[in-house]
Amino acid sequence: EAGVTQFPSHSVIEKGQTVTLRCDPISGHDNLYWYRRVMGKEIKFLLHFVKESKQDESGMPNNRFLAERTGGTYSTLKVQPAELEDSGVYFCASSQLFTGELFFGEGSRLTVL
Amino acid sequence: AQTVTQSQPEMSVQEAETVTLSCTYDTSENNYYLFWYKQPPSRQMILVIRQEAYKQQNATENRFSVNFQKAAKSFSLKISDSQLGDTAMYFCAFLTTSGTYKYIFGTGTRLKVLA
Repeated sequence: EAGVTQFPSHSVIEKGQTVTLRCDPISGHDNLYWYRRVMGKEIKFLLHFVKESKQDESGMPNNRFLAERTGGTYSTLKVQPAELEDSGVYFCASSQLFTGELFFGEGSRLTVL
Repeated sequence: AQTVTQSQPEMSVQEAETVTLSCTYDTSENNYYLFWYKQPPSRQMILVIRQEAYKQQNATENRFSVNFQKAAKSFSLKISDSQLGDTAMYFCAFLTTSGTYKYIFGTGTRLKVLA
């Protein structure tokens, strides 16, 4: 069974540009989470999808971030326009149950110059 | 707001020895879940162990066990007979179940097992 996959694994862009990160969760997992980790800091919650609906987007930093989950399958996280402080590793995770084990992707490292 | 604190940024342990990673959290909830996840170098984060707050018995998974002190809001991870493959970043996580199901992570502890 395929795990959670994220693309791209690493993206380097200039300030003001746009980047779209993609996450393919494990098939059948209704719950999909986006997290971000800045070097040396905690893994910070961004948002939680249940199927195609946003259950909780309280962690989204500002309106430069837009997340979607088409048909309850894969999800995209777009940052437009990117700022220096957006640099970090963006993790996607999925789970079958609300209280179940989270399965993580390898992360997408974003570097904004 | 719930918070998770890991006060040890880095630790090292000799192979075959025992090491304990500390984690404290803050919450006003009574029902919640606690987890330890590990991220080996250049690999995905995986679940190590999980504890339900309503269970008094400490969770154990082979060489991994926890010391869950609910009143003290402490959730430490003990790794016995450390192996080189245990080298990883370890994250403590709290799952809130009131309203939204949101995992809150600590800053992580980088553990290096020495040969």
